[in-house]
Amino acid sequence: QKEVEQDPGPLSVPEGAIVSLNCTYSNSAFQYFMWYRQYSRKGPELLMYTYSSGNKEDGRFTAQVDKSSKYISLFIRDSQPSDSATYLCAAAGGTSYGKLTFGQGTILTVHP
Amino acid sequence: DTGVSQNPRHKITKRGQNVTFRCDPISEHNRLYWYRQTLGQGPEFLTYFQNEAQLEKSRLLSDRFSAERPKGSFSTLEIQRTEQGDSAMYLCASSLGDRLPDTQYFGPGTRLTVL
Repeated sequence: QKEVEQDPGPLSVPEGAIVSLNCTYSNSAFQYFMWYRQYSRKGPELLMYTYSSGNKEDGRFTAQVDKSSKYISLFIRDSQPSDSATYLCAAAGGTSYGKLTFGQGTILTVHP
Repeated sequence: DTGVSQNPRHKITKRGQNVTFRCDPISEHNRLYWYRQTLGQGPEFLTYFQNEAQLEKSRLLSDRFSAERPKGSFSTLEIQRTEQGDSAMYLCASSLGDRLPDTQYFGPGTRLTVL
């Protein structure tokens, strides 16, 4: 079993929809949780991160972490075609705060 | 552009050949990471450096793989006797390494195809 599990999708939504992306993790030592966005044939770019449990909002994006259920979520409001990309969740903590453990990635398509 | 740069962007090689990739991190970033990403998967950690010291290596990094960061600036990743299973995107990331979270900034990657 992978330490971070993510539904690969693909997920297709109409423009303006609310998108919910989710991951689960198994390592209780993880304390930092990140969401990266990756366009085709590009490197991942950091969208946002959260520490431990709680919510964090940045514009149209909201990240949530529930450590009791080991569940990570990213919500995208008013989705745009430019949001079409692969979204990767990642976690860090324990003995190695530097090493990121990624999920498989969810492919999102927002159609006009 | 002051982001992470990687060269070459694409590399096609024949099985059994050696290849070397280069990564130039963001200036003043002390940490440098290497990840490997195969099609349809998330990046997998390979190794990382704090300045010139290699601090952690994944078990994925077989003895055919070697990474260096000789002066604490750029880094190279060499794969000897390449195999078809080495075909992947090799990603480099850098970070300041002096705070939590250790925010990593990724380069565009080097796509390796082993024929």
